[in-house]
Amino acid sequence: TQLLEQSPQFLSIQEGENLTVYCNSSSVFSSLQWYRQEPGEGPVLLVTVVTGGEVKKLKRLTFQFGDARKDSSLHITAAQPGDTGLYLCAGVRAGNNRKLIWGLGTSLAVNP
Amino acid sequence: ETGVTQSPTHLIKTRGQQVTLRCSSQSGHNTVSWYQQALGQGPQFIFQYYREEENGRGNFPPRFSGLQFPNYSSELNVNALELDDSALYLCASSSGTSADNEQFFGPGTRLTVL
Repeated sequence: TQLLEQSPQFLSIQEGENLTVYCNSSSVFSSLQWYRQEPGEGPVLLVTVVTGGEVKKLKRLTFQFGDARKDSSLHITAAQPGDTGLYLCAGVRAGNNRKLIWGLGTSLAVNP
Repeated sequence: ETGVTQSPTHLIKTRGQQVTLRCSSQSGHNTVSWYQQALGQGPQFIFQYYREEENGRGNFPPRFSGLQFPNYSSELNVNALELDDSALYLCASSSGTSADNEQFFGPGTRLTVL
C-alpha cells in the first residue's frame, strides 16, 4: 500500500494549458515537499509546506497543503515545455521525522 | 559550495557481479541517504549513513551494503547483482538525520544489469 498516492501518474498537455497534480494520504504529515526531477538529474526541491491550509507560489506554480495536512496539490498555470519532468511529493509523517515518505511521481510532458 | 557528486554516471554489469557506487556529499553535510529509483517512479529509500554508521534502512536485502568515510563521502555496494537491480541510484546529503532536513541530491548513477 502506497502511503502517499500521487495522481495522475502521467500527464501530456499542450503549452499554455493549466494542470493540477495531487498527492493524497490517509496519514497526517507534519510537512510535505514537492520536487521536480529532469532526465539524468536528481530530484530538486521546489517547496516545503508545513501548515494546514498553507498556499505557496513559485512563479506559475501554486502549492497547497490540505487543512488536515493529509493531502497537497501542485497547480501549474500556462504550462511551458520547460515544465516537463517528473514531479514528486514526499512527506514527513507527524510524530515520525526519521523517514521521508515518497509518492510514485507524476510524469508531465508539455508539448510545444 | 560544492554540490553532491556521484560516480560513475553509468555502469553496465552482468548478473552475479558486484558493484560499488560512490557519492561525495555537499560541503558541511554529515548525513548521506541512498535511494533506488526505477524509471518514471519515485525513489525507494535504501539506507542512511550518519557519522560513519548506518542510521536507518529500507526494505532492501543484506546484499545492499554501504560505508561512510570520515569526510562524509559514502559508498553503496551491491553483491550478487540481479536483473531487477537495474535502476537509477541516487544519493542525497543533508545536515542532519531528521527527514525535516532538506536533502540535496546528486545526479545519480544509472546501473544496468544484463
